[in-house]
Amino acid sequence: DTGVSQDPRHKITKRGQNVTFRCDPISEHNRLYWYRQTLGQGPEFLTYFQNEAQLEKSRLLSDRFSAERPKGSFSTLEIQRTEQGDSAMYLCASIPWLGGAYPNTDTQYFGPGTRLTVL
Amino acid sequence: AQKITQTQPGMFVQEKEAVTLDCTYDTSDQSYGLFWYKQPSSGEMIFLIYQGSYDEQNATEGRYSLNFQKARKSANLVISASQLGDSAMYFCAMTLSTGNQFYFGTGTSLTVIP
Repeated sequence: DTGVSQDPRHKITKRGQNVTFRCDPISEHNRLYWYRQTLGQGPEFLTYFQNEAQLEKSRLLSDRFSAERPKGSFSTLEIQRTEQGDSAMYLCASIPWLGGAYPNTDTQYFGPGTRLTVL
Repeated sequence: AQKITQTQPGMFVQEKEAVTLDCTYDTSDQSYGLFWYKQPSSGEMIFLIYQGSYDEQNATEGRYSLNFQKARKSANLVISASQLGDSAMYFCAMTLSTGNQFYFGTGTSLTVIP
């Protein structure tokens, strides 16, 4: 396992369709994050999991968005009834979070992203 | 609330010269981590360097160094001996001790001129 993988890399869909993205984190990483990045902006946090538990969701994550990590390994992000404003790069990242009062990780490993285009 | 500010939307540097990319942050937490990432046109986010809030020395990684000024809440990235392959977007990011999310700035586009 050499890194975080995401599938598909590109997705073109028509407005109103549902889409699902998959993220496979680095195997020993217990935390998994989803971000959305629009053109010219930095990544914006959507949600994160610790093992299989979804611990936090951003207000950006409307009720059309749902994420799962059923066995604490891979995760899926589904967007229902897509809108043109959903067009963005969706990034997944993982880290081995050990807890404690000090950020003890020196990086967050990102996947290559899924670029979504909604026509 | 946490915030990362990158005020330089675009920067140009001559090949082999050094360049500083600015980053200021805002948090009331005492424990946090600061990161810099590089994002080439291909889209992947590449980790460059990390600085913990309690680290007394500035972080260095090869040609990258982080100029950490805690009182000013700044974490500038210095790239020495710029190379053409350094042309990319650069993002400053922060996480708190809870690690519940990483906060990113809007990025700086760096162009290295031959």
